[in-house]
Amino acid sequence: EDQVTQSPEALRLQEGESSSLNCSYTVSGLRGLFWYRQDPGKGPEFLFTLYSAGEEKEKERLKATLTKKESFLHITAPKPEDSATYLCAGSNSGYALNFGKGTSLLVTP
Amino acid sequence: EAQVTQNPRYLITVTGKKLTVTCSQNMNHEYMSWYRQDPGLGLRQIYYSMNVEVTDKGDVPEGYKVSRKEKRNFPLILESPSPNQTSLYFCASSDGSHAGAYEQYFGPGTRLTVT
Repeated sequence: EDQVTQSPEALRLQEGESSSLNCSYTVSGLRGLFWYRQDPGKGPEFLFTLYSAGEEKEKERLKATLTKKESFLHITAPKPEDSATYLCAGSNSGYALNFGKGTSLLVTP
Repeated sequence: EAQVTQNPRYLITVTGKKLTVTCSQNMNHEYMSWYRQDPGLGLRQIYYSMNVEVTDKGDVPEGYKVSRKEKRNFPLILESPSPNQTSLYFCASSDGSHAGAYEQYFGPGTRLTVT
């Protein structure tokens, strides 16, 4: 069964304290690994797609990486506005997404 | 502005009263999908559509119907809602421009309560 597991469930950081979120997957024939950001009561906002092991993508303080079994979302010098839930999703068909349950990130001043 | 819109945003209804949640996108996307999000269970796919008149079941299709008569619209129909369908619903669309994997763009959500 295809699964996407995220850890930790919740993470509290001080402003400027860098850290990483983990997404491990057992999606057979993975065709894409996605990261989304979700603010409370809002729809997920697309961040990155990674297609193959070794690939990296960056956007402001966020950097996503992919290995054969997991993906990491690195947050460098986070700010309070980075507080959100970060969702990881894998797809083997290109159409159906298997989402993890998310990591709730709180960055305090 | 490119966007996915959903209506209504909030709905409280009673068991058995048929309802429709509309979803529309203005990006000419071929692919559209419906998800529900529940605490502790995350986002789960209900139905998806790869094009007009082409739909398929996701992980949790029971109790839901969809139709895709126009490219821009993908309504979600609950013919006889039950309390276990109380949830936060999201519509999403994708243009399928990347071979093999398609990032999806989500609407703002519809919070449904069935009493």
